[in-house]
Amino acid sequence: KAGVTQTPRYLIKTRGQQVTLSCSPISGHRSVSWYQQTPGQGLQFLFEYFSETQRNKGNFPGRFSGRQFSNSRSEMNVSTLELGDSALYLCASRKADTQYFGPGTRLTVL
Amino acid sequence: AQKVTQAQTEISVVEKEDVTLDCVYETRDTTYYLFWYKQPPSGELVFLIRRNSFDEQNEISGRYSWNFQKSTSSFNFTITASQVVDSAVYFCALSEGGQGAQKLVFGQGTRLTINP
Repeated sequence: KAGVTQTPRYLIKTRGQQVTLSCSPISGHRSVSWYQQTPGQGLQFLFEYFSETQRNKGNFPGRFSGRQFSNSRSEMNVSTLELGDSALYLCASRKADTQYFGPGTRLTVL
Repeated sequence: AQKVTQAQTEISVVEKEDVTLDCVYETRDTTYYLFWYKQPPSGELVFLIRRNSFDEQNEISGRYSWNFQKSTSSFNFTITASQVVDSAVYFCALSEGGQGAQKLVFGQGTRLTINP
């Protein structure tokens, strides 16, 4: 069974640009969550989607948004990028109260 | 508010030594889950174990064992006879509730280095 896949794996953007990251959950998993990992703040929850609805949101500015499609694939978008948005963005799909993570997208903002 | 504390930032041991990673948590809920994840240099978080708040039984899986004590709000992880492949960052995490929306709160992680 394939794991969680995330694309792209690496991304370099400049300040002010926007970016879209993609996540495909494990087959049969309907919940997708996103996390940001930085050296300073550690792993922080961004949001969770289930059946195309956002069910939970972390403490991030409105520049961070997401969505989920009918096939459970999810995208997150960050607009007006700032240097501090440089991070590893991890997606997780959930079944039976356990989240399984993908390899992450490493975003560098210059 | 939920909080997870991993007081050990870095641990370095020689191969074949036993090592214990500490995790202390805070929550007001009576129903919650605790997790351990491993993050190798590749970056992916690998699920190791889940324990719910009603199950205080210790668990052993090969060289790995976990000790959950509600009385001290701790969920410690021991690696017996450590190997170089165990080198990684290990995260303890907490989530509240069950079937509904789930948000994981992570500790800061413990970087474990096993030296040959």
